[in-house]
Amino acid sequence: GAGVSQSPRYKVAKRGQDVALRCDPISGHVSLFWYQQALGQGPEFLTYFQNEAQLDKSGLPSDRFFAERPEGSVSTLKIQRTQQEDSAVYLCASSLGSWQGLLGNQPQHFGDGTRLSIL
Amino acid sequence: LAKTTQPISMDSYEGQEVNITCSHNNIATNDYITWYQQFPSQGPRFIIQGYKTKVTNEVASLFIPADRKSSTLSLPRVSLSDTAVYYCLVSSGQNFVFGPGTRLSVLP
Repeated sequence: GAGVSQSPRYKVAKRGQDVALRCDPISGHVSLFWYQQALGQGPEFLTYFQNEAQLDKSGLPSDRFFAERPEGSVSTLKIQRTQQEDSAVYLCASSLGSWQGLLGNQPQHFGDGTRLSIL
Repeated sequence: LAKTTQPISMDSYEGQEVNITCSHNNIATNDYITWYQQFPSQGPRFIIQGYKTKVTNEVASLFIPADRKSSTLSLPRVSLSDTAVYYCLVSSGQNFVFGPGTRLSVLP
């Protein structure tokens, strides 16, 4: 069965480089989420999409972080001018429902993440 | 924004029942409580979700008291493969706050 797929699984970049992380959600899932998970910590919310609309980007740590989902399916998280503190696992999740006050009732399905290391 | 607290770690033995409690004092009326399991190098996996009272599925039970300020995940008869980190998630509209996680170690 097709779950949430993320690529690459591992990414190493030099400080100052730009990176792009890809997420393929479960087909037909309306909602898509990005999280950042530091070593030994729980996932921290970055941003949320309902179809192609980015409804919440309050968790993005700086304007170097940018996410898009232009056709309402695949999403890309881009980080510009990477810094060492950007090193983390970036998780993508999708859920079937859309946010109409009912998101709390929709389990999120997670990919296995992209481990980003900034040298 | 609901904030959660959980024990950092717990140990158990195979075959025992394990109860992990999450505190969420500021939970809002529309919030749901969801628990996830995470193994190393994998994304979190959904275990169970509830709003109030008790929910049970084939792998776990979730107990939520009337004031909803806490919840308890119950894993019956754990095995070595249940060794993982367990997260409590309180769904608050568009904001999703994971707890710090409880590292459960199941010993033979």
